[in-house]
Amino acid sequence: EVQLVQSGAEVKKPGESLKISCKGSGYKFSSFWIGWVRQMPGKGLEWMGIISPGDSDTTYSPSFQGQVTISVEKSITTAYLEWSTLKASDTAIYYCAVQVTAYAFDSWGQGTLVTVSS
Amino acid sequence: QSALTQPASVSGSPGQSITISCTGTSSDVGGYNYVSWYQQHPGKAPKLMIHGVSNRPSGVSTRFSGSKSGNTASLSISGLQAEDEADYYCSSYTSTSTRVFGGGTRLTV
Repeated sequence: EVQLVQSGAEVKKPGESLKISCKGSGYKFSSFWIGWVRQMPGKGLEWMGIISPGDSDTTYSPSFQGQVTISVEKSITTAYLEWSTLKASDTAIYYCAVQVTAYAFDSWGQGTLVTVSS
Repeated sequence: QSALTQPASVSGSPGQSITISCTGTSSDVGGYNYVSWYQQHPGKAPKLMIHGVSNRPSGVSTRFSGSKSGNTASLSISGLQAEDEADYYCSSYTSTSTRVFGGGTRLTV
């Protein structure tokens, strides 16, 4: 069974850095792209970017390019989403999801709530 | 790129059928057969309901179906049940190799 388990909720101050994780299991991790999706409070889904665990090839949405970094560590079947300087507007739930079927997210993590507040 | 356009809300009575539209451009919905639909219940992660315009993943009810005409894709749900009440999002591959979601539609049963 494909499973994605995300790291726990975070509370940070503006200006701080953060790296959240998404651990995959139950499938061949290096073979399927993993993406990240933002959901701001009470709002819809926003596609942030996607990474190929096999070669770390990454594509970002223009809206998120330069704002976050997506990375992966194959040896521990884990993908990451990282901020160097958090803003209050980064407050949201962040989901990771795996793309097994062409260009669709078949399985999702449980979400990580990131709260940025002074 | 701009989000795909979905109606903010739709409603139907149990047993009835509804359709949710998802309008994009020739650079996304109209250009590729890579439209997917997701169901999200409050406080839960999204769930894939349709991929590749009209394909149902294993385990998804046959009451859910998808189609596309030009730049508009549609999700239809027949025999509405109370458990179908949720938010629904469409998504499409785009000409820049990214993906884009629709704004979401709240279905009330």
